[in-house]
Amino acid sequence: EAEVAQSPRYKITEKSQAVAFWCDPISGHATLYWYRQILGQGPELLVQFQDESVVDDSQLPKDRFSAERLKGVDSTLKIQPAELGDSAMYLCASSLARTVRGAFFGQGTRLTVV
Amino acid sequence: QKEVEQDPGPLSVPEGAIVSLNCTYSNSAFQYFMWYRQYSRKGPELLMYTYSSGNKEDGRFTAQVDKSSKYISLFIRDSQPSDSATYLCAMSAGGANSKLTFGKGITLSVRP
Repeated sequence: EAEVAQSPRYKITEKSQAVAFWCDPISGHATLYWYRQILGQGPELLVQFQDESVVDDSQLPKDRFSAERLKGVDSTLKIQPAELGDSAMYLCASSLARTVRGAFFGQGTRLTVV
Repeated sequence: QKEVEQDPGPLSVPEGAIVSLNCTYSNSAFQYFMWYRQYSRKGPELLMYTYSSGNKEDGRFTAQVDKSSKYISLFIRDSQPSDSATYLCAMSAGGANSKLTFGKGITLSVRP
C-alpha cells in the first residue's frame, strides 16, 4: 500500500541548531503539505505545495523556517535556528491535485528541542 | 473563535457502546469534511470523507454533515478497545489549493 515516507522519526536537537526533515509523498500526488502538531492540539498547516510551487505559506515562520520541493516530488522542511517552542510533531501529507478527498499523512517526525 | 471547534474530551465508554463525536465550524465555505483517527505517536489516518451535507456509512462508522447548522458528527457503533485513539475532524473549502483545517481532537478510550 502506498505511503507517505518521512524521516527521521525522532529528532533531538539543541536550541539554536539547524534541523531538517524529509518527506516523500505518495507517487503521483501533486499536493504536499507540512503540518505542525503540538501535543494535545490538531495539526496546523505550515506550508502547502502544488507540484514545486508554494501555494500557502501564510503560517510558516519565515525568519527561521524554510521549505522546498525542488522537482515537485520529495520535500525538505528546515528550521534554523531551532527554538524550545519548536518542539512538536512535524507531519507531512499528500493528496491528488484538484481533490480534497482527504490527505494522507506520514508517521511524522517528533522534534524535541533542548 | 477558531474556525473548527471540537467537543472537548477525553471520552471513556464501555466496549459495545455507541460513540458520538462532534465538530462545529464557522466558515460557510467548507464543503469537504473528513474524520481522521490518530494513535499515539503516529500520523493521522483518514477514516471518512464526506462532501456537502448528508450521511456516509462505512462498516461501524457513520459520518453526518449538516451544513445548515455547520455541524458534523462521527458515530461509532459497537465500539471496540482497538477504537481507542484520538479522533480529529478536518474540513476544506475545496479547490486545488485548499488546505485542511483541523479540530483540536478528542481522545476516546473504549474499556473492555
